[in-house]
Amino acid sequence: EAQVTQNPRYLITVTGKKLTVTCSQNMNHEYMSWYRQDPGLGLRQIYYSMNVEVTDKGDVPEGYKVSRKEKRNFPLILESPSPNQTSLYFCASQAAAGVSEQYFGPGTRLTVT
Amino acid sequence: KQEVTQIPAALSVPEGENLVLNCSFTDSAIYNLQWFRQDPGKGLTSLLLIQSSQREQTSGRLNASLDKSSGRSTLYIAASQPGDSATYLCAGLSYSGAGSYQLTFGKGTKLSVIP
Repeated sequence: EAQVTQNPRYLITVTGKKLTVTCSQNMNHEYMSWYRQDPGLGLRQIYYSMNVEVTDKGDVPEGYKVSRKEKRNFPLILESPSPNQTSLYFCASQAAAGVSEQYFGPGTRLTVT
Repeated sequence: KQEVTQIPAALSVPEGENLVLNCSFTDSAIYNLQWFRQDPGKGLTSLLLIQSSQREQTSGRLNASLDKSSGRSTLYIAASQPGDSATYLCAGLSYSGAGSYQLTFGKGTKLSVIP
């Protein structure tokens, strides 16, 4: 089954404790991205990757890092999480940017206390 | 920079009615427009994708249109059912320079279909 998976689905952590949210897709898609969703602000893009070893900033990249060492995986790293990063995070993938629909993962609800 | 607006933010209709959800965008140089459905606490499910060269797409009871010149897209839902209750989001894909593309989302319309 074609899908985008994220782990963990729920995470409660404390300020400053480094964490990684994993994202994996099994569709051989080139394009992957991370979004955060906040009430009243909608979905905003954090980072995206056009292909392996190619990443770029989205609208709200501050406080986040990503890597794309292999095609299927695109982890989101919070080196020093802060309470304003409490949010619902979505990973998405697309066969190629600009030409096909995006598939979204189930989301990761992160709470930073 | 692309901006996407969805009005109204919430809509309540009785079961069986046909309805239209609206989406407007500021950059007419849009590559495609995608409609999604989001259920509470869940991820996004793609409903329809309209390429810039197309004017509409249909899937079952759903029909989406795209008018680049006016910067508008609509999602038509025929014979609404309680199971259609969800938040509907539209997103426009635009070229953001240096070979990169960006998908910009509207804030969604929360639809409630009353039995």
